[in-house]
Amino acid sequence: GESVGLHLPTLSVQEGDNSIINCAYSNSASDYFIWYKQESGKGPQFIIDIRSNMDKRQGQRVTVLLNKTVKHLSLQIAATQPGDSAVYFCAEIQGAQKLVFGQGTRLTINP
Amino acid sequence: KAGVTQTPRYLIKTRGQQVTLSCSPISGHRSVSWYQQTPGQGLQFLFEYFSETQRNKGNFPGRFSGRQFSNSRSEMNVSTLELGDSALYLCASSGSGRAFGDTQYFGPGTRLTVL
Repeated sequence: GESVGLHLPTLSVQEGDNSIINCAYSNSASDYFIWYKQESGKGPQFIIDIRSNMDKRQGQRVTVLLNKTVKHLSLQIAATQPGDSAVYFCAEIQGAQKLVFGQGTRLTINP
Repeated sequence: KAGVTQTPRYLIKTRGQQVTLSCSPISGHRSVSWYQQTPGQGLQFLFEYFSETQRNKGNFPGRFSGRQFSNSRSEMNVSTLELGDSALYLCASSGSGRAFGDTQYFGPGTRLTVL
């Protein structure tokens, strides 16, 4: 069946370092992907998205990479700050109708 | 502009009861979607409404239902509650014709506990 999973449930990085959060998906029909950030006690927040006709997209301090060959998605956060501490979810959307989330990775920033 | 609001924020029910949760989208947003978040299953998409019509639906049993009113406010109903329905129920609204993406904003959620 379809599934979106994350390679690591937790990730701890030093403040100022770059963070890389990974995600694997299994449905090759997925055509749109989103990364969300969820802070404690809050709902998810959109970070960045990418369509299947792209392999890289950059935002402010964040970059998403898509490798359709191995069905892999990653989120890179540059110069990680304490405010980046949160759970990060990837999500895949199939035909603009079905949304499937990954389990989430908890990112912890060490001072 | 006010964000997405959900009421109530916390709710305790017993097995077999039914519950109705409410979501008020951002003004002008016509798409409202609902999600269930549990430690075991993570975030799961329930359904999405656009202009009072259910447009998309996840893989949940018929006990989970919803509706949207002409002012875009939405309600979600769960009948015959089970212990496994204990979860954070999140609502999100979107200001574009698309349900998901950068115009989608989530509310703080309703924490439902079923005893």
